[in-house]
Amino acid sequence: KNEVEQSPQNLTAQEGEFITINCSYSVGISALHWLQQHPGGGIVSLFMLSSGKKKHGRLIATINIQEKHSSLHITASHPRDSAVYICAVPYSGGGADGLTFGKGTHLIIQP
Amino acid sequence: DAGVIQSPRHEVTEMGQEVTLRCKPISGHNSLFWYRQTMMRGLELLIYFNNNVPIDDSGMPEDRFSAKMPNASFSTLKIQPSEPRDSAVYFCASSSSGANVLTFGAGSRLTVL
Repeated sequence: KNEVEQSPQNLTAQEGEFITINCSYSVGISALHWLQQHPGGGIVSLFMLSSGKKKHGRLIATINIQEKHSSLHITASHPRDSAVYICAVPYSGGGADGLTFGKGTHLIIQP
Repeated sequence: DAGVIQSPRHEVTEMGQEVTLRCKPISGHNSLFWYRQTMMRGLELLIYFNNNVPIDDSGMPEDRFSAKMPNASFSTLKIQPSEPRDSAVYFCASSSSGANVLTFGAGSRLTVL
């Protein structure tokens, strides 16, 4: 089973700061997911990536397959970015499995 | 598409009662997943189906838990009898095989007293 480690667990920053959240996993994978869980509980898929970098608005996700590591960056952070960010990888490495999740990073952006 | 639909959104029940959670995946998605989220353990995979067939139920905590997918548009997760430690948010998610894009339902918050 893939093991997922996220850091930091908690992060409080000021509006406008550049945010980095890290994720490491133990088993080679086909793709990695970044999810966002809002205070209301809903979970939204932000990115699915298997190599390189993806960008969506102020969010950037990168992955290094060789090092089994991914980062999620938020540029010009805003209070509405406050949420839990969760990294997830296939349960046993393959693409058709369910996911195993990191514990999440609780991000608070203060105005 | 209305997305993945779960019901009920909230359920409060007493220990020993049967609980049934329901999920309607996105039309055309052929993989369906049940996850449980608790403060202590975070998100955990319970079981997943591919083309209505259970593929991996190793995450189901014990025999009190059972899941079915009688057709491509409906799945249930049943807990009988329920216990206070089953209190959690249960998420259903669906995806299209090979797409690796996962869509979550809004979750069912279960409280067992």
